[in-house]
Amino acid sequence: ETGVTQTPRHLVMGMTNKKSLKCEQHLGHNAMYWYKQSAKKPLELMFVYSLEERVENNSVPSRFSPECPNSSHLFLHLHTLQPEDSALYLCASSYSKAGSTDTQYFGPGTRLTVL
Amino acid sequence: ILNVEQSPQSLHVQEGDSTNFTCSFPSSNFYALHWYRWETAKSPEALFVMTLNGDEKKKGRISATLNTKEGYSYLYIKGSQPEDSATYLCAFHSGGYQKVTFGTGTKLQVIP
Repeated sequence: ETGVTQTPRHLVMGMTNKKSLKCEQHLGHNAMYWYKQSAKKPLELMFVYSLEERVENNSVPSRFSPECPNSSHLFLHLHTLQPEDSALYLCASSYSKAGSTDTQYFGPGTRLTVL
Repeated sequence: ILNVEQSPQSLHVQEGDSTNFTCSFPSSNFYALHWYRWETAKSPEALFVMTLNGDEKKKGRISATLNTKEGYSYLYIKGSQPEDSATYLCAFHSGGYQKVTFGTGTKLQVIP
């Protein structure tokens, strides 16, 4: 257990559905992240939040919409996804504000399949 | 796009063997180099964060070295055990808002 939980662990959705991924950290961290891992590719950073403010948006399509209501919770709202968006979505958190070298603590991921 | 490469992509070793693998990264704009271990169906787990050229870190049977001038880091596992079976990821941190670039990982299988 890393102190970072993600729900659901698996999600199957159609291209017209709207769904949300949830991440919660119990570590008192100040920064939270969304990563995507597609098959045979490295982890790709999608979004970074520091103290609930979005500080990085890595050219992610608008069909992915993040939300960080407080420093412990992070959501990824999904709308009108494409089959190529099927991947493992990982959430992570770190103690310090963005810009430090602090280790990131990862959740177990949500395996998303878009039909 | 930063290029972080890991080699080999996968390897199988016998229990008790020692092994090592490589992470290559850009030699400019270096901020930190992270190593993670990722077991199947679990969360990636941090092993080391290395910031200074010549750094050597050790955790039990696992150790790592860092050469920022030539842009590489080695991870060593001494006396591999089946529980060491995992994918080992390195992540290059070039500063900014915790912006790290991950390699594709080295998948290690230790055969009992």
